[in-house]
Amino acid sequence: QVQLQESGPGLVKPSQTLSLTCTVSGGSISSGDYYWSWIRQPPGKGLEWIGYIYYSGSTYYNPSLKSRVTISVDTSKNQFSLKLSSVTAADTAVYYCASYIWQFDYWGQGTLVTVSS
Amino acid sequence: QSALTQPASVSGSPGQSITISCTGTSSDVGSYNLVSWYQQHPGKAPKLMIYEGSKRPSGVSNRFSGSKSGNTASLTISGLQAEDEADYYCCSYAGSSTVFGGGTKLTVL
Repeated sequence: QVQLQESGPGLVKPSQTLSLTCTVSGGSISSGDYYWSWIRQPPGKGLEWIGYIYYSGSTYYNPSLKSRVTISVDTSKNQFSLKLSSVTAADTAVYYCASYIWQFDYWGQGTLVTVSS
Repeated sequence: QSALTQPASVSGSPGQSITISCTGTSSDVGSYNLVSWYQQHPGKAPKLMIYEGSKRPSGVSNRFSGSKSGNTASLTISGLQAEDEADYYCCSYAGSSTVFGGGTKLTVL
């Protein structure tokens, strides 16, 4: 069974870059079985898809965030990462990583990132 | 890319059935049989309940079922139980992207 775990700073200052890493266990990112995705949920609000990456490096981003988002993969560490630049308070959310192949099968527990000075 | 439309809330009594709708467009729900549904309890990560419109993952109760007609997908929960009280989100593939619904809060009376 695939397991995912998010890690990274819980507090980011406005205008800086949010950086998170998702570590995958119980399966290999390089297997090609899934795309690897980031999803976020502002406090009290709904889910928002951020983007996903294939092990080959192909990426797909939410058009509304595309100018600020970079998702990368490190197959040697079985990890993938999210960078979101120029953050504001509106980027405060629980960030989830998940596996995707037409649906989000496995999810991490989520990590709260607060944007505040 | 606009969010799929779901009712903000639905409610039902134990034992009853409820249906949650999810309306999209011909660019997402209407074009692909790739709608999925997620259950989320407070403070927890979402859980996949239905995929490819009507399929249930292993371990999900057969009280949960999904369907689609045109640009609208639906999730039906039969024999409501107290543990079904949660937020429910639909999601659709939209050609190189993915879009979620705004979520529906299910209250079991």
